[in-house]
Amino acid sequence: DADVTQTPRNRITKTGKRIMLECSQTKGHDRMYWYRQDPGLGLQLIYYSFDVKDINKGEISDGYSVSRQAQAKFSLSLESAIPNQTALYFCATRSSVGELFFGEGSRLTVL
Amino acid sequence: AQSVTQLGSHVSVSEGALVLLRCNYSSSVPPYLFWYVQYPNQGLQLLLKYTTGATLVKGINGFEAEFKKSETSFHLTKPSAHMSDAAEYFCAVRTLQGAQKLVFGQGTRLTINP
Repeated sequence: DADVTQTPRNRITKTGKRIMLECSQTKGHDRMYWYRQDPGLGLQLIYYSFDVKDINKGEISDGYSVSRQAQAKFSLSLESAIPNQTALYFCATRSSVGELFFGEGSRLTVL
Repeated sequence: AQSVTQLGSHVSVSEGALVLLRCNYSSSVPPYLFWYVQYPNQGLQLLLKYTTGATLVKGINGFEAEFKKSETSFHLTKPSAHMSDAAEYFCAVRTLQGAQKLVFGQGTRLTINP
């Protein structure tokens, strides 16, 4: 089983719909991250969490929200999806030396 | 704030040739440096990292990178490319201060020609 699991792996939705992407991890890491990947832009940080009670905005948090339900779970929500949120989304956990462990990604298409 | 620049969004080499992917960073303090690889339809996985100590670091699949503080560079190399090396490669930097976030370069897509 993967150390970092994302669901769903693929989702197609319509403008205005609420979407939740879920992430769970078995690494035992406190720090978790949500990134967005767009071609030619690398990875951009949306939100990150140092523990259940500590959630922080990243570079591109507008239009997104997160919930850290437990040490192992960190979900990303789009309250009202729009087409420019079409992207590949990655969840990651972080080790003590800063190495990130990524999930396999959730591809979201907003029509 | 730190930033990362990868020179060349696409690099193409012949099988058996040297692979060189360039990465320069800006940081006001010594950083931790990482190279990640992303194969098609997969997440990113760590190739190698520099934290402290020896400036030449070896990673998986025959890749290595050298931290050159004077040049603020962390270029990735492999002496002989294999077809299986075709992927996208990301350089990333993390400082030891503040929120200690990892900042990624924009990525370099490596193509291997037979």
